[in-house]
Amino acid sequence: DAGITQSPRYKITETGRQVTLMCHQTWSHSYMFWYRQDLGHGLRLIYYSAAADITDKGEVPDGYVVSRSKTENFPLTLESATRSQTSVYFCASGRTDNEQFFGPGTRLTVL
Amino acid sequence: GDSVTQMEGPVTLSEEAFLTINCTYTATGYPSLFWYVQYPGEGLQLLLKATKADDKGSNKGFEATYRKETTSFHLEKGSVQVSDSAVYFCALSDFTSGTYKYIFGTGTRLKVLA
Repeated sequence: DAGITQSPRYKITETGRQVTLMCHQTWSHSYMFWYRQDLGHGLRLIYYSAAADITDKGEVPDGYVVSRSKTENFPLTLESATRSQTSVYFCASGRTDNEQFFGPGTRLTVL
Repeated sequence: GDSVTQMEGPVTLSEEAFLTINCTYTATGYPSLFWYVQYPGEGLQLLLKATKADDKGSNKGFEATYRKETTSFHLEKGSVQVSDSAVYFCALSDFTSGTYKYIFGTGTRLKVLA
């Protein structure tokens, strides 16, 4: 009953590898979001989803892929990781697009 | 395009001091405005929000008023505590022309000294 969880919490990978970050919420919220947080940029929206099987691009979608086959899960995949994708990734969910509850984050390092 | 600008930090205050963190925005539509707080090692938590002009959001002694004429949403608290030390983010959401945007400022770190 943790609400919204992310896994793994920490990940180190190498350039060119595929990485999937998981996000799971137990509230049955319709909306889910992925952000990246970088120093000097605040949070930037990568992708969002209004419901299962509905996804759309945010501000910085290049290099990322998402899917949402079930309401409670919203995985984010880096198809071929690059050093510029080193960041802290936050997932969020909400009943509406004006309400977001954030997960604890995943710190990803790409070597 | 839409954007959010908030004051640079860090802001250092003594306990019980008055807090103001400035936030201004630009938007093409009629955005909703938010303040989030982030404690070390954690995700963001919604602190307060306002969905239309002249609305005042408030929570835990913090408040902010949606000022359309000055495109501002400044965060205030009358008496800060050490436990308020965190990073504060101003944000807007805007759904215009079929495109959804959720824009965050770069964050302002607040440090409150006992």
